[in-house]
Amino acid sequence: AQSVTQLDSQVPVFEEAPVELRCNYSSSVSVYLFWYVQYPNQGLQLLLKYLSGSTLVKGINGFEAEFNKSQTSFHLRKPSVHISDTAEYFCAVTLSGGGADGLTFGKGTHLIIQP
Amino acid sequence: DAGVIQSPRHEVTEMGQEVTLRCKPISGHDYLFWYRQTMMRGLELLIYFNNNVPIDDSGMPEDRFSAKMPNASFSTLKIQPSEPRDSAVYFCASSLAGQGRTYGYTFGSGTRLTVV
Repeated sequence: AQSVTQLDSQVPVFEEAPVELRCNYSSSVSVYLFWYVQYPNQGLQLLLKYLSGSTLVKGINGFEAEFNKSQTSFHLRKPSVHISDTAEYFCAVTLSGGGADGLTFGKGTHLIIQP
Repeated sequence: DAGVIQSPRHEVTEMGQEVTLRCKPISGHDYLFWYRQTMMRGLELLIYFNNNVPIDDSGMPEDRFSAKMPNASFSTLKIQPSEPRDSAVYFCASSLAGQGRTYGYTFGSGTRLTVV
């Protein structure tokens, strides 16, 4: 079975500063990786995904993530955050291959943007 | 595309009552997932269906929980009887096989259940 660890439950950062949200996964087989964002009282919105190919993945809202197989990490980054980025961010993993299995989520990281 | 539609958005019920949560997946998607979100346990996969057939229900916490998918456009998650510890946000998500991992899983807005 696979698992996801989000190392920080909460990350405060000043507006226009860069941010990195950390995610490590554990799996004995190949996986696909995702980052989702959840704004207050809303559902989960896909930010970006890694399936194969380039290890640097660009997503919506200026976010990007880098897949590092040797370190089993998939950290999320943004060079300059905005107040509107305040939300809960979830890293998720699923097995690669055909069909669709359920996602296994990390506990989430609350990104707090300070003016 | 209206996305994944869940109803109701909020549900408050008394302990012991039956609760039914509803989900309409995206048209053409052949996988449907039910998740539960709580502060203590985060997001947990409860059950998922492929072509209306339950594939894995190992995440269903107790026999009080049951889920059905009578057709490709509708699924229900039922709790009978409900207990205060069932209070959570329940999400439904849908996906398309093969492309499911290309486009990600699309989530509904969730149903916030409060059992008093």
